[in-house]
Amino acid sequence: DTGVSQDPRHKITKRGQNVTFRCDPISEHNRLYWYRQTLGQGPEFLTYFQNEAQLEKSRLLSDRFSAERPKGSFSTLEIQRTEQGDSAMYLCASSSHTGHMNTEAFFGQGTRLTVV
Amino acid sequence: AQSVTQLDSHVSVSEGTPVLLRCNYSSSYSPSLFWYVQHPNKGLQLLLKYTSAATLVKGINGFEAEFKKSETSFHLTKPSAHMSDAAEYFCVVSDRGSQGNLIFGKGTKLSVKP
Repeated sequence: DTGVSQDPRHKITKRGQNVTFRCDPISEHNRLYWYRQTLGQGPEFLTYFQNEAQLEKSRLLSDRFSAERPKGSFSTLEIQRTEQGDSAMYLCASSSHTGHMNTEAFFGQGTRLTVV
Repeated sequence: AQSVTQLDSHVSVSEGTPVLLRCNYSSSYSPSLFWYVQHPNKGLQLLLKYTSAATLVKGINGFEAEFKKSETSFHLTKPSAHMSDAAEYFCVVSDRGSQGNLIFGKGTKLSVKP
C-alpha cells in the first residue's frame, strides 16, 4: 500500500503523560501536513513541512507540541504533558509541491488521542 | 491570508433531488481549491480539485464544482442525491504561492432523506 499511514490508530493516555505519533507519507511527496480534528469540526492546521524544513506552525501549536521530519520522509508529532483538551483526531497528509503548484493532499486514517 | 467559508453547516435533501453545498474563499494569490468528503469513521477523500485549468471541475460520484473568481466561490453540486452521499463535506483552499498550506472550512453535513 502506498498511501499515508499513521501509527498508532488509537492512543489513550493519562493527563500529564507525553505521547508521540508517527506519520509515513506517500514516498514521492515532499510536503507533509499535520492537522487536528475534534468532533463536529473541520480539520485545523497545525504545521507543515517541505522536505525536512518546517515551513509554518499554527498558533494552535503550543510549546507542548513539537513536530519533526528529520530526513524528509516520515514525521513525528509529540505532545508533552498532555491535557484533556488535547483529545482529538490527529491527521497527517502529504502532497507534492512543485514550483508554485500544490497537488491534492492525501490523508491518513488519523490517530485518535484520548486523554483521561 | 487564506480563508474559506462554508455557508451552511447542515444541508438536508431528498434522494434524487439536486445537491448544492456553498463555499466562498479568500486568497491573496491565485488559489487551488478542493472539496473533500468524510464519511463517518472514515478518512478524508478527495472529491475534486481546481488548479487553474477549466473553471467547471468534475469529480467522483457525479459531483462537480464551478470556480467563479468574480464571486470568490467554489460551490459543490450534484444533480441527483443518493443515500450514500450522506457525509461531511469540506471546502479547502491553498494559495498557489510557494508558502501555501491547506486551509479547511468548518464543513457541511449533508443528510439525504429517502
